[in-house]
Amino acid sequence: AAGVIQSPRHLIKEKRETATLKCYPIPRHDTVYWYQQGPGQDPQFLISFYEKMQSDKGSIPDRFSAQQFSDYHSELNMSSLELGDSALYFCASSSPRVYEQFFGPGTRLTVL
Amino acid sequence: DAKTTQPTSMDCAEGRAANLPCNHSTISGNEYVYWYRQIHSQGPQYIIHGLKNNETNEMASLIITEDRKSSTLILPHATLRDTAVYYCIVRSNSGTYKYIFGTGTRLKVLA
Repeated sequence: AAGVIQSPRHLIKEKRETATLKCYPIPRHDTVYWYQQGPGQDPQFLISFYEKMQSDKGSIPDRFSAQQFSDYHSELNMSSLELGDSALYFCASSSPRVYEQFFGPGTRLTVL
Repeated sequence: DAKTTQPTSMDCAEGRAANLPCNHSTISGNEYVYWYRQIHSQGPQYIIHGLKNNETNEMASLIITEDRKSSTLILPHATLRDTAVYYCIVRSNSGTYKYIFGTGTRLKVLA
């Protein structure tokens, strides 16, 4: 079965640079969620989109923005990167009839 | 969303049943109990969810107490590959759908 695809899987950036993470949900899933998991921490909700509109917002820094496109894929844009942004970033998707979220493999971002 | 409380860690012998408890004493009537696990920095994997009835699938069983204030995830025959952090999450199936992860239980299956 098709799963959530995230790219890139690994990303290394310098401080103050920008990064873009991409998420391709499971086909026919219309909702995308982004989570951040710092080293040794539990996943924290950042933001979600339903039918291309922002549906909920968590502890997402103002330096980050995200959107969902017409093909339902989503991108998380991160600017002015800080050392503390080093983390695993997970995308998950769900559909109205399937309440559980399915997570992608994550993108490991390292900020040097 | 209701907060959940889980033991920090547990050990289980391979081949034995692993029983992972979760307290969610402030759960409301329209909130479901979800269980996920995360194996070594992989994406969290869905295991099972339920509202008030006990549930079983090919991975596990979920036992929810009658007052719904606690639940237990049962892995009937734990294997080494079940070593992971197990998260109990309480969430409504209406309105906002985000998950709020607690600290989870680190299950170690011993050979």
